[in-house]
Amino acid sequence: AQSVTQLDSQVPVFEEAPVELRCNYSSSVSVYLFWYVQYPNQGLQLLLKYLSGSTLVKGINGFEAEFNKSQTSFHLRKPSVHISDTAEYFCAVTKNSGGSNYKLTFGKGTLLTVNP
Amino acid sequence: DAGVIQSPRHEVTEMGQEVTLRCKPISGHNSLFWYRQTMMRGLELLIYFNNNVPIDDSGMPEDRFSAKMPNASFSTLKIQPSEPRDSAVYFCASSLPVPGSNTFGSGTRLTVV
Repeated sequence: AQSVTQLDSQVPVFEEAPVELRCNYSSSVSVYLFWYVQYPNQGLQLLLKYLSGSTLVKGINGFEAEFNKSQTSFHLRKPSVHISDTAEYFCAVTKNSGGSNYKLTFGKGTLLTVNP
Repeated sequence: DAGVIQSPRHEVTEMGQEVTLRCKPISGHNSLFWYRQTMMRGLELLIYFNNNVPIDDSGMPEDRFSAKMPNASFSTLKIQPSEPRDSAVYFCASSLPVPGSNTFGSGTRLTVV
């Protein structure tokens, strides 16, 4: 089974500052990794995903994440945040089984609050 | 495409009543997932279907919960009888057999009083 740990439940930051949201995972098999964003009263939207290849992946809204296999981490970063980035961010994992469905296991989420 | 459609958006019901949540997945998606989101437990996978067949219902908390997918375009999650601790946001998601294709609905906020 897979598990995901998001180390910070809340991250307050000022506008235009850089931010890093931390994610560590545990799995006995190879995995795919994802970051989702949830704005208030909405569903989850995919920000970015790591499937294979370059360990630095870029997503929407200027976010990027780096897959580190040795540290089993997939931290999300943005060099300069905006007020509109205020949302909850979820790290997720699914096993790379080549199967016909991809069941996601989510972390508990990190609430990013961007202050003016 | 209209995306994954869930109804109702909000549901308030009294303890002991039956509650039915509905989901229309994206056309062509072959997998459907039901999640529950609470402050305490985060996002929990309740059950998922592949090609309309339930594959894993180990996340269903109790026998009071049941889910069906009678065809490729419709699924229901039923709680009978409902209890206040069932209050949560319930999300439906559908996907292709491609990693990262999971698309979520806007959720149903259930309040049991």
